[in-house]
Amino acid sequence: GAVVSQHPSWVICKSGTSVKIECRSLDFQATTMFWYRQFPKQSLMLMATSNEGSKATYEQGVEKDKFLINHASLTLSTLTVTSAHPEDSSFYICSARRGLTYGEQFFGPGTRLTVL
Amino acid sequence: RKEVEQDPGPFNVPEGATVAFNCTYSNSASQSFFWYRQDCRKEPKLLMSVYSSGNEDGRFTAQLNRASQYISLLIRDSKLSDSATYLCVVNIPRGSTLGRLYFGRGTQLTVWP
Repeated sequence: GAVVSQHPSWVICKSGTSVKIECRSLDFQATTMFWYRQFPKQSLMLMATSNEGSKATYEQGVEKDKFLINHASLTLSTLTVTSAHPEDSSFYICSARRGLTYGEQFFGPGTRLTVL
Repeated sequence: RKEVEQDPGPFNVPEGATVAFNCTYSNSASQSFFWYRQDCRKEPKLLMSVYSSGNEDGRFTAQLNRASQYISLLIRDSKLSDSATYLCVVNIPRGSTLGRLYFGRGTQLTVWP
């Protein structure tokens, strides 16, 4: 099966610090990776779409200078939450799309971020 | 209007019951369709893709009606382990790109012994 890993699984940080989250596709090359955020009892909200070697496409209302995305290779994408504040506390989930068709996405296990 | 609409439930059924979930989507350009399940505080996991011809995977049967823009999931012989939130998901192309997934709010299922 398709496996996506995410690291760290949880992080607690002080307000004002930056946090980097890694997303890796372990057994396939991901043409596109996606970053989502989910607040309790709400559905997933897409933050940005990331293609290897190009700039990420951010959804409306998502600050690209605050949520920095780097997609360095076909198996790795990173999300950096810069100058985190308590309102950034959330469950961040990445997903990877396999292949060039309208294929399914496979999700990482998520990163639970708590900003104090 | 939301791209994907789902009955949020909750559905509470006894073990062995048959339960059906429905979903509608608004964009006729939607290309691919899926059901995911999400357990509490976990990531979504792909349950099955949905095809116009209908498809079955063990106790799970999915149907797609493109004309009425309607997707369904039937779970037979429910197990305790089926308790989860079921997400109806569609992929909509965007411009010349493959596009992105749109998620329903999910339907919560609890199977009791």
